[in-house]
Amino acid sequence: GAGVSQSPSNKVTEKGKDVELRCDPISGHTALYWYRQRLGQGLEFLIYFQGNSAPDKSGLPSDRFSAERTGESVSTLTIQRTQQEDSAVYLCATSGVPGELFFGEGSRLTVL
Amino acid sequence: AQRVTQPEKLLSVFKGAPVELKCNYSYSGSPELFWYVQYSRQRLQLLLRHISRESIKGFTADLNKGETSFHLKKPFAQEEDSAMYYCALRGLTDSWGKLQFGAGTQVVVTP
Repeated sequence: GAGVSQSPSNKVTEKGKDVELRCDPISGHTALYWYRQRLGQGLEFLIYFQGNSAPDKSGLPSDRFSAERTGESVSTLTIQRTQQEDSAVYLCATSGVPGELFFGEGSRLTVL
Repeated sequence: AQRVTQPEKLLSVFKGAPVELKCNYSYSGSPELFWYVQYSRQRLQLLLRHISRESIKGFTADLNKGETSFHLKKPFAQEEDSAMYYCALRGLTDSWGKLQFGAGTQVVVTP
């Protein structure tokens, strides 16, 4: 499809396990963003990548969170040693024009 | 630091009534403001941006730098306007920049 694709759509894991979330961008979109949305709350910025520039990691809540993106391709968000407070929907968005984001459907993470 | 505030979590209006969603921001430089919308069971999507100065689905929003506001308005609400609305900001001085979102306002339009 032509939209942003995220996988898995749902993930249930046990506290302490590592999880990896994947985002497939729209072809040609140079910018890629990760946001977190906890239940009943707004979008919390995590990290963004733009072309070959150093990523803006200012929103990552702890060193358990990391993300990678190679060029303008797939990105993965990794959460190590998951905690219950990590339960949320993780949204990926990509952009070809500053400010105009196209969102995926999100990955819902539940940490038991 | 950039901050976006949407003071209303829920806005309930009758069909045909005017609706206004408030958005206030703080940012030291020149901002660019956006409204995003998420309809039920759909992805979050861009509704409008202040630079375009256009009306989308009957909605308009004017950037008021004096009051640091970017309120979203529609004169006659329709049932299909029921959705979650997010105000967002990026810095124009940034070559690209992160998009900072507010907490969102849930709009419910009742017949």
